[in-house]
Amino acid sequence: DQQVKQNSPSLSVQEGRISILNCDYTNSMFDYFLWYKKYPAEGPTFLISISSIKDKNEDGRFTVFLNKSAKHLSLHIVPSQPGDSAVYFCAATPLKGAQKLVFGQGTRLTINP
Amino acid sequence: DAGITQSPRYKITETGRQVTLMCHQTWSHSYMFWYRQDLGHGLRLIYYSAAADITDKGEVPDGYVVSRSKTENFPLTLESATRSQTSVYFCASNEDNTYNEQFFGPGTRLTVL
Repeated sequence: DQQVKQNSPSLSVQEGRISILNCDYTNSMFDYFLWYKKYPAEGPTFLISISSIKDKNEDGRFTVFLNKSAKHLSLHIVPSQPGDSAVYFCAATPLKGAQKLVFGQGTRLTINP
Repeated sequence: DAGITQSPRYKITETGRQVTLMCHQTWSHSYMFWYRQDLGHGLRLIYYSAAADITDKGEVPDGYVVSRSKTENFPLTLESATRSQTSVYFCASNEDNTYNEQFFGPGTRLTVL
């Protein structure tokens, strides 16, 4: 039972364009959401997060949108750069500070020059 | 060096052997975690620890044993390795009462023949 789903295993975007990565969740108790980025042969690194009391959080080129009624969040990267090529994981937790995260399957983003 | 380290980075073993993966963090973080990454499943929590001598099961604990006698170390032992335990293993840590941002180690790629 996959509580956090990333239905696109891969995504290819041209450099300079917008990349949109999607994530759906089923557990209505999830209250805090995070995105991680992972390069090959490295551990995941934290990218951006959002609390359920917000519908948008922005950090430079990265923006996360949350639609609680649809149980859907998305990560927008604009403009996309070659260094953004990586695997992106979304994660969720029922409470900020609850420590345990549930991860999606990941989406491999490739930025083409 | 400061941070979170894992050893070995690569390990090949045979079915039925005992294997221990090491994790060490220098931040004195309270929480430590073990995940496995498998294609199609993303990151799944195996075990976690809230403090020294306090451990608890995650989503996929069967076949694994952990201990935490010191805050900075969190070894993961496969008591009798099976082929299904071939995976990439990540250790992570974070402080208590933070925004769930976990810091990951570089990973250990384990192959069970």
